[in-house]
Amino acid sequence: DAGVTQSPTHLIKTRGQQVTLRCSPISGHKSVSWYQQVLGQGPQFIFQYYEKEERGRGNFPDRFSARQFPNYSSELNVNALLLGDSALYLCASSLGRNNQPQHFGDGTRLSIL
Amino acid sequence: GQQLNQSPQSMFIQEGEDVSMNCTSSSIFNTWLWYKQDPGEGPVLLIALYKAGELTSNGRLTAQFGITRKDSFLNISASIPSDVGIYFCAGLNTGTASKLTFGTGTRLQVTL
Repeated sequence: DAGVTQSPTHLIKTRGQQVTLRCSPISGHKSVSWYQQVLGQGPQFIFQYYEKEERGRGNFPDRFSARQFPNYSSELNVNALLLGDSALYLCASSLGRNNQPQHFGDGTRLSIL
Repeated sequence: GQQLNQSPQSMFIQEGEDVSMNCTSSSIFNTWLWYKQDPGEGPVLLIALYKAGELTSNGRLTAQFGITRKDSFLNISASIPSDVGIYFCAGLNTGTASKLTFGTGTRLQVTL
């Protein structure tokens, strides 16, 4: 069975640009969460979506937004990119909304020049 | 953002040795999870713990949910070279959102 898939795997952008990252959850999983992992640290929670609605948001600016589609796939958008946005962006899926183990994709490595 | 404290930060061990690491939090969690992350990959779920005091094994891995609900422990027995990687604990609470709070990570290196 396919795990969580993310695209693209690597991306290079310049300051001020906008980026869209994509995630397909494990088949049957209805919840998708996004995390940012800066080099040398653990992942930090950005968003959770369940049944196409935002269920939680971490401490990130409004430049970060996301959505979930009827097939439960998701996109993360980041506007007005800053150098500090350089990180590994991870998507995780789980069966339900609460208290379910989350399974991660291999992430999108975003580099801002 | 908040990160849980993991110790040790890194460790070098010889193949065949047992490994212990722990994770502490200033707040309570209802669920504790342990993940392993290899370079260039996402975290892979190793063990999930749901009740205070619970002891759960997955092959050579054993993890415990601390009775205070503020800590968790992971043991690896008879380490092998493929155990190399970064181990993260993560706490989870039920509520409106399923937000994992991760630890700072323990980097494990195994020598032959």
